[in-house]
Amino acid sequence: AQTVTQSQPEMSVQEAETVTLSCTYDTSESNYYLFWYKQPPSRQMILVIRQEAYKQQNATENRFSVNFQKAAKSFSLKISDSQLGDTAMYFCASSGGGADGLTFGKGTHLIIQP
Amino acid sequence: EAGVAQSPRYKIIEKRQSVAFWCNPISGHATLYWYQQILGQGPKLLIQFQNNGVVDDSQLPKDRFSAERLKGVDSTLKIQPAKLEDSAVYLCASSLVTGGYTFGSGTRLTVV
Repeated sequence: AQTVTQSQPEMSVQEAETVTLSCTYDTSESNYYLFWYKQPPSRQMILVIRQEAYKQQNATENRFSVNFQKAAKSFSLKISDSQLGDTAMYFCASSGGGADGLTFGKGTHLIIQP
Repeated sequence: EAGVAQSPRYKIIEKRQSVAFWCNPISGHATLYWYQQILGQGPKLLIQFQNNGVVDDSQLPKDRFSAERLKGVDSTLKIQPAKLEDSAVYLCASSLVTGGYTFGSGTRLTVV
């Protein structure tokens, strides 16, 4: 069984600032994947970034990067130079190997203020 | 490539009525998932198909929910009879490779 915990229900920052969203997880899998998804009001889940647990290097995608601390079971998302379009719900999720379904956290509502 | 298609986009029904949601995954994706997302929470996996076989339905309330995936392509999720607590967004996703999921835009169900 897997659990994902997001302890920040809502965060608000000014445009162009850097913001970090927190996530902790627990899993009995030896090989697993971690994800950050963005969900705008349109409801569609959009993949922000993905980390394979066996890779020690932190994943990056343009302004988005993660801090993956495997021993601490921590997987935080850093958004640099935040933009108004980054306003959305952000969900941390995990899955086991293969095509296992995703286990999601409760989400963090990120608001970027102009 | 076309995304995951879902319909309807919105549905309002009275409690004890039945409702069905449809999902068309990305062509060639063998694995299909249905998630329930209650307001203020993250999505919860209801059922997972591999081709037309069920892989995991441990969190599906089988007394009222059913799902099928005919011919390993389209899928339908049904609720009968609906309860107030079934009000949620129902998301469909599909996957081709390990760790790669594509989501549809979901169906927002309101039970009154």
